[in-house]
Amino acid sequence: DADVTQTPRNRITKTGKRIMLECSQTKGHDRMYWYRQDPGLGLRLIYYSFDVKDINKGEISDGYSVSRQAQAKFSLSLESAIPNQTALYFCATSDLDGFYGYTFGSGTRLTVV
Amino acid sequence: DQQVKQNSPSLSVQEGRISILNCDYTNSMFDYFLWYKKYPAEGPTFLISISSIKDKNEDGRFTVFLNKSAKHLSLHIVPSQPGDSAVYFCAASDSNDMRFGAGTRLTVKP
Repeated sequence: DADVTQTPRNRITKTGKRIMLECSQTKGHDRMYWYRQDPGLGLRLIYYSFDVKDINKGEISDGYSVSRQAQAKFSLSLESAIPNQTALYFCATSDLDGFYGYTFGSGTRLTVV
Repeated sequence: DQQVKQNSPSLSVQEGRISILNCDYTNSMFDYFLWYKKYPAEGPTFLISISSIKDKNEDGRFTVFLNKSAKHLSLHIVPSQPGDSAVYFCAASDSNDMRFGAGTRLTVKP
């Protein structure tokens, strides 16, 4: 099994719909992150969590919310999807400060039509 | 405001030669810097990192150089191999969150 599992892998949804992207990890790390990747912009941080009771906004949190259900689970929600949220979404996890890198999932490709 | 910039969207090199990927940053509070490699349909994978107190770190064919005064880092791959063809992301962290560049697509030709 992968260290970080994201579901679904691909999703097409309509404008205005609520959608949830799920992430689970088996690394036993406390820190988890959600990024989105857009062409020419790289990866931008949406939200991050240092433990179950800690949630922090990243660079581009507007229009998104998160839930840390357990140490191993961190889900991202789009309350009312819009077309410019079409992107590749990555979940990641790390140990204390990430010096040895984050472990990323394989990504969820989301298309909002 | 992009705090980490990779100004070259793509780079093509011949197998066996050196690949040099460059990255600039603006935030002097970053503690360490990293390079990731990404293949299609996969998430980025960690390659190598360097602390802000060092100017060089080497791991096999990969070496990262840091020039703090210029706020610049580079990744050298020697010798380049076709399997190195991927998108490379530069990243920087202040221990709270990590910022990424836009990526450079490296193509290594046989």
